[in-house]
Amino acid sequence: NAGVMQNPRHLVRRRGQEARLRCSPMKGHSHVYWYRQLPEEGLKFMVYLQKENIIDESGMPKERFSAEFPKEGPSILRIQQVVRGDSAAYFCASSPRGSGSYNEQFFGPGTRLTVL
Amino acid sequence: GNSVTQMEGPVTLSEEAFLTINCTYTATGYPSLFWYVQYPGEGLQLLLKATKADDKGSNKGFEATYRKETTSFHLEKGSVQVSDSAVYFCALSDTSGGYNKLIFGAGTRLAVHP
Repeated sequence: NAGVMQNPRHLVRRRGQEARLRCSPMKGHSHVYWYRQLPEEGLKFMVYLQKENIIDESGMPKERFSAEFPKEGPSILRIQQVVRGDSAAYFCASSPRGSGSYNEQFFGPGTRLTVL
Repeated sequence: GNSVTQMEGPVTLSEEAFLTINCTYTATGYPSLFWYVQYPGEGLQLLLKATKADDKGSNKGFEATYRKETTSFHLEKGSVQVSDSAVYFCALSDTSGGYNKLIFGAGTRLAVHP
């Protein structure tokens, strides 16, 4: 059973370009979480999605950032018009359900975004 | 709101030394508590967890006990190895929204020397 897949692993963009980060959850998992890790800091929650629904986007900047988790295909975190402050590692996690006792989240290897 | 506070690093130890990384939390209700480990250039791996007060999570020689009275979840290992060098994150599961959202501490970098 493959783990959580993220691609690309490394992404370099110039200021003003768009960044698209992909996350394929583990098989059987329908809940996806995105976290951002700034250099030398812990992970900060950005958004929680279920298939075709955004449940909580309270940690995501209101402008330039969007996320989706379509019925088919991976979850996408999209950053428009990137700025240097967007440089960070972006981690995706998945779980088989959103709540309850079996609430372990499994993390992908992350996408390291560098904005030049 | 819910939060996690970890001791600052880096922590530098010699091989076979005893390790303690302190973690305290603030939360409403009774969250689950976790320790994650991040090796250089990699994602996070769950190291251990505890879901209720007085539970002890353990894995690979690491242990942590959920202490409700002191709101703590300190990570310990009796004898560290060079391969334990990594960043360790304490986290709690915030269920205030009706689902599980992880709140992380800032992380503690551990360096173990031969």
